[in-house]
Amino acid sequence: DIQMTQSPSSLSASVGDRVTITCRASLSISSFLNWYQQKPEKAPRLLIYAASSLQSGVPPRFSGGGSGTDFTLTISSLQPEDFATYYCQQSYSIPFTFGPGTRVDIK
Amino acid sequence: QITLKESGPTLVKPTQTLTLTCSFSGFSLSASGVGVGWIRQPPGKALEWLAVMYWDNDNRYSPSLKTRLTITKDTSKNQVVLVMTNMDPLDTATYYCAHNSRSAASLPFDYWGQGIQVTVSS
Repeated sequence: DIQMTQSPSSLSASVGDRVTITCRASLSISSFLNWYQQKPEKAPRLLIYAASSLQSGVPPRFSGGGSGTDFTLTISSLQPEDFATYYCQQSYSIPFTFGPGTRVDIK
Repeated sequence: QITLKESGPTLVKPTQTLTLTCSFSGFSLSASGVGVGWIRQPPGKALEWLAVMYWDNDNRYSPSLKTRLTITKDTSKNQVVLVMTNMDPLDTATYYCAHNSRSAASLPFDYWGQGIQVTVSS
């Protein structure tokens, strides 16, 4: 199985901050990397697919980058509705593993 | 508009078999490239991918759970069914079904059901 790690596991930030979350795969997954946002008691929401493509309806303050083994999710200016947990997921090979998540809290 | 909704028992006993149904609308599972997957999330923990079924009956399972999982579809009813045998308290989780497409780069799960919380307890 491809192992996914994320850093940090949690962070505290203020509205307006620029936030970057890192995801690393245990082997190269090209650009088969997706990012999801999950709020408490809600289903995950797709933000970014193919490492850097913005899903329809997602605000442009979200952006993704990277390829191979190292990826980033950046929120350019954190908004109140962005406080949530973020997961990366590889879809390069079965099983389509998720990362452990990064929780973004209000400072 | 694509929607999905999970249904099934919310409480099962250890060793029992869990049967969950994903009912969907807004797409057809007979259309080329379309798939429906299952993902679960234990309380307070991360997401875990379980299985996916594609329009061409190509089924893929998590290797760690493969012996316990079966995924089937009823195209006429717009439903996908996940069966998990020999349930254990560690299988307590919220179970989600989600739309997946082989036509989309990186095969994302782009539409999700609301989830169903399943507790395994005697």
